[in-house]
Amino acid sequence: DAKTTQPTSMDCAEGRAANLPCNHSTISGNEYVYWYRQIHSQGPQYIIHGLKNNETNEMASLIITEDRKSSTLILPHATLRDTAVYYCIVRAHTGANSKLTFGKGITLSVRP
Amino acid sequence: NAGVTQTPKFRVLKTGQSMTLLCAQDMNHEYMYWYRQDPGMGLRLIHYSVGEGTTAKGEVPDGYNVSRLKKQNFLLGLESAAPSQTSVYFCASSRGLSLTEAFFGQGTRLTVV
Repeated sequence: DAKTTQPTSMDCAEGRAANLPCNHSTISGNEYVYWYRQIHSQGPQYIIHGLKNNETNEMASLIITEDRKSSTLILPHATLRDTAVYYCIVRAHTGANSKLTFGKGITLSVRP
Repeated sequence: NAGVTQTPKFRVLKTGQSMTLLCAQDMNHEYMYWYRQDPGMGLRLIHYSVGEGTTAKGEVPDGYNVSRLKKQNFLLGLESAAPSQTSVYFCASSRGLSLTEAFFGQGTRLTVV
């Protein structure tokens, strides 16, 4: 069973905010929401993670709904270099659900 | 600080040949992973390790073996390569507890002819 559901693709204009949605309706209480991205031909790159509170770092913001069944990754000012596949992952930090498992992700295209 | 280093970066094998892919990390991470990536498939977990001397199967373990004799190294072996194993292979490592962002290598492009 897929633990997360993401749209296949989306695009946004350079300089605008990119809001990438993710559904994880079966998330368990000890599971975190992680986001990674993969720029073409490179290894995946960690972006951000959170449990239930909203999180922000130098790359992005993560908004998790109160019921934790969905989240949104926000890139506040998208650039052409943000064009990549973005993966939303649900995982625990210990135990059987702690391994990092990727789905197909969402392809974000940033247009000039 | 090299991070995660994969060796080799490219390799062409003939069907039936064997080879070992090496992943080395210098961050003292407990967890290490091997993934394969095929067009349209995303990343699929082959095997992983939660510490030195331990390994476990992922989503697609058949045809591969792994070993973690030293904490810093995670080896992926193909005993008898098949064309279906043509793929890009990524290794990753992470700490086992909180702040467990994973760091990935740059990949190994393997072609089996």
